[in-house]
Amino acid sequence: NAGVMQNPRHLVRRRGQEARLRCSPMKGHSHVYWYRQLPEEGLKFMVYLQKENIIDESGMPKERFSAEFPKEGPSILRIQQVVRGDSAAYFCASSPISGWGNQPQHFGDGTRLSIL
Amino acid sequence: TQLLEQSPQFLSIQEGENLTVYCNSSSVFSSLQWYRQEPGEGPVLLVTVVTGGEVKKLKRLTFQFGDARKDSSLHITAAQPGDTGLYLCAGVKERTGANNLFFGTGTRLTVIP
Repeated sequence: NAGVMQNPRHLVRRRGQEARLRCSPMKGHSHVYWYRQLPEEGLKFMVYLQKENIIDESGMPKERFSAEFPKEGPSILRIQQVVRGDSAAYFCASSPISGWGNQPQHFGDGTRLSIL
Repeated sequence: TQLLEQSPQFLSIQEGENLTVYCNSSSVFSSLQWYRQEPGEGPVLLVTVVTGGEVKKLKRLTFQFGDARKDSSLHITAAQPGDTGLYLCAGVKERTGANNLFFGTGTRLTVIP
């Protein structure tokens, strides 16, 4: 499967725990984007990363959320001390180069996070 | 406020009918992409348009990018039940230096056999 791979597909956490979401981009893609889809809402941009660099995190909450894309391994979206409002589907997308927005983004099937 | 407004929000039609979905904004986009999303899955890319006035065809689907690059439309000819799904437009704003996509509100299409 050469597509964007996200795991886990479903994640259940209790309030106050940490959630770690992983994303492996398509082969040959070096740009990763994270989006959040709240219930009954559209997809909203969170953060854009290249290998070892955060390029744009303007859509990410300032507290409790962090993201990384190390030189080796998948991109990680980390949510600390989760709250009920963090329940959502989190999607990762990747593109080959930035191309000033003309490069299409391909999405994974998401991680559905549920907070008890 | 939503940057990209799609209409209609819901559409239910009989198999064989034609339909058009609209995606409108007051902002200019350097590119616009159409996706289809099934329940429990991620958006699947259908097409990318980058030039004002551009028209792209994908079998029975025709995509058009407005001349001013502020709007787009998706036309489906002779709809099939397999076309049922959530259709999303998404664009990259021009001259922001950003690559993130702004998504539309979505159009949920149901094609009745």
